[in-house]
Amino acid sequence: DTAVSQTPKYLVTQMGNDKSIKCEQNLGHDTMYWYKQDSKKFLKIMFSYNNKELIINETVPNRFSPKSPDKAHLNLHINSLELGDSAVYFCASRGQGARVEAFFGQGTRLTVV
Amino acid sequence: ELKVEQNPLFLSMQEGKNYTIYCNYSTTSDRLYWYRQDPGKSLESLFVLLSNGAVKQEGRLMASLDTKARLSTLHITAAVHDLSATYFCAVEGASGSRLTFGEGTQLTVNP
Repeated sequence: DTAVSQTPKYLVTQMGNDKSIKCEQNLGHDTMYWYKQDSKKFLKIMFSYNNKELIINETVPNRFSPKSPDKAHLNLHINSLELGDSAVYFCASRGQGARVEAFFGQGTRLTVV
Repeated sequence: ELKVEQNPLFLSMQEGKNYTIYCNYSTTSDRLYWYRQDPGKSLESLFVLLSNGAVKQEGRLMASLDTKARLSTLHITAAVHDLSATYFCAVEGASGSRLTFGEGTQLTVNP
């Protein structure tokens, strides 16, 4: 069983559209993240949730809205997609407390045309 | 703001050679993680370093942490082609809630 799973793996869409990426973890972790990896492979945190509560909200356009219906799920909705949103988006989860590593999903490659 | 810098960003080496990747960070932390990413794939956890002087080894890779120097190293011994990948270090901030990643080191091991 995949520990952190994202869907879809690939997403090609036109500018202006709205899309969602779903993430689920079966590790029983309390904390989940969204990271964005750009074309230079740089990983930047976007959001973090702990037990369904938003705890990190980086400087991300309002068009990006995370939603956590329960602690095993963290979805990312993007409105009015722009060319610059093209990237790989990774979901990750982490056990309770610090000093433990994060586990990453397989990534969603978003291409906006 | 915590900044994490890796050096070098690109590394091409021959099989059988040794090399070290460096990870410097800007604020106090004793929690550092190394990840590996193959092209088009996810990030795989390699090492978790949680105290000053921590050393971990797995196969041809060895990671260490010097919290006073704010430096971690990933040493590669007798490289083989299978080690070709991008390696990231990530540092945990004081709040414990986020990992800040370095830029990644793209390693290519040539026969």
